[in-house]
Amino acid sequence: SAVISQKPSRDICQRGTSLTIQCQVDSQVTMMFWYRQQPGQSLTLIATANQGSEATYESGFVIDKFPISRPNLTFSTLTVSNMSPEDSSIYLCSVGVRDTYYEQYFGPGTRLTVT
Amino acid sequence: AQSVTQLDSHVSVSEGTPVLLRCNYSSSYSPSLFWYVQHPNKGLQLLLKYTSAATLVKGINGFEAEFKKSETSFHLTKPSAHMSDAAEYFCVVSDRDAGGTSYGKLTFGQGTILTVHP
Repeated sequence: SAVISQKPSRDICQRGTSLTIQCQVDSQVTMMFWYRQQPGQSLTLIATANQGSEATYESGFVIDKFPISRPNLTFSTLTVSNMSPEDSSIYLCSVGVRDTYYEQYFGPGTRLTVT
Repeated sequence: AQSVTQLDSHVSVSEGTPVLLRCNYSSSYSPSLFWYVQHPNKGLQLLLKYTSAATLVKGINGFEAEFKKSETSFHLTKPSAHMSDAAEYFCVVSDRDAGGTSYGKLTFGQGTILTVHP
């Protein structure tokens, strides 16, 4: 398994501003993922972030709104840009373990509230 | 395309009685299937996984799940519920192509909230 930390753990932001969420892993991993969990909902994949390549976004998510960086094999950031109250969610990063068919381990999440 | 349906949004049991959380899936080829648990204000924890080995999979905390291809099901069971089992449970599918390579994309079910009464 892997130990994953996220910063910040929670934040309250004003609409129109941006927040960058950091995800740190204690070992080198190829695949990292970003998910959103809206209140009372399940998790939805935002994008896949592999080191050395552009992030791949799922339908309904765009780079201008959710830019992602993946500068090395242990770190990634997700920015939520020009926030609105609809962006209030828990954002989670996860890492994929290649030799176990991509089972994923999740960070503790960042709880974002937009006012 | 892959999808997951958790048949019950809420399940309520008494402590010491069996637990059954139902999950049906749809995938193109051979899926990998997982159950995750999320306790209130906690992160997601992997309970167990199926990756085309034994169809009966044992996980942590006494949980197990059986992969039934003919029924496209992956139900989660536990013989005796404990108060600490109260949480939300997610059934998750990860699809693979014809060559067995996973894309790494997880699709989550809508979740089942398990309540355990004393």
